[in-house]
Amino acid sequence: GQQVMQIPQYQHVQEGEDFTTYCNSSTTLSNIQWYKQRPGGHPVFLIQLVKSGEVKKQKRLTFQFGEAKKNSSLHITATQTTDVGTYFCAGPGYSGAGSYQLTFGKGTKLSVIP
Amino acid sequence: GEEVAQTPKHLVRGEGQKAKLYCAPIKGHSYVFWYQQVLKNEFKFLISFQNENVFDETGMPKERFSAKCLPNSPCSLEIQATKLEDSAVYFCASSRYDTSSSGNTIYFGEGSWLTVV
Repeated sequence: GQQVMQIPQYQHVQEGEDFTTYCNSSTTLSNIQWYKQRPGGHPVFLIQLVKSGEVKKQKRLTFQFGEAKKNSSLHITATQTTDVGTYFCAGPGYSGAGSYQLTFGKGTKLSVIP
Repeated sequence: GEEVAQTPKHLVRGEGQKAKLYCAPIKGHSYVFWYQQVLKNEFKFLISFQNENVFDETGMPKERFSAKCLPNSPCSLEIQATKLEDSAVYFCASSRYDTSSSGNTIYFGEGSWLTVV
């Protein structure tokens, strides 16, 4: 079945430093989604990328979708303590039962040192 | 409502007891999903519904897990004879369209924390 790999697993940064997490799928994706989960919270949808090579920005967050639609990245410029949490990528994967379900990467847990 | 509502927030069960979790999807959303998140943060897909019909149940441990989405009632996920390894956060999510549809957004509830002791 489809696998979504995400690295790094953990990242500790000093406040103000940049942060990047990378996501790779074993299959071509129709789209990729990014979620943020704060400690003890639930996944919150951040963005969806659909087009090959697409780049989207949300304030200090920049999301990219690879040309082959198999990889993606999330880059945060000048991290703040409010960026703390685990960032997950997810892509629709064929479950083998006639439907597609979101397959999540294992997430990158970001810690920001004030 | 504009959010996915899950109850209870916390549930403690002795091993072998039954656990039942509830989820009210966002009004107008046709698809409901259940995911299990264990301590290592990994999300495991359990089951999805299209309205009241099972859409995909490939992730369900069928021996002890069952789920329903009946009209005019919250969806439910039931675990018979819980085991220690069932301890996890169970997230319900809903969306308007099928997962593979571009532009589709999936909204998660706050989760139900199940602890089996």
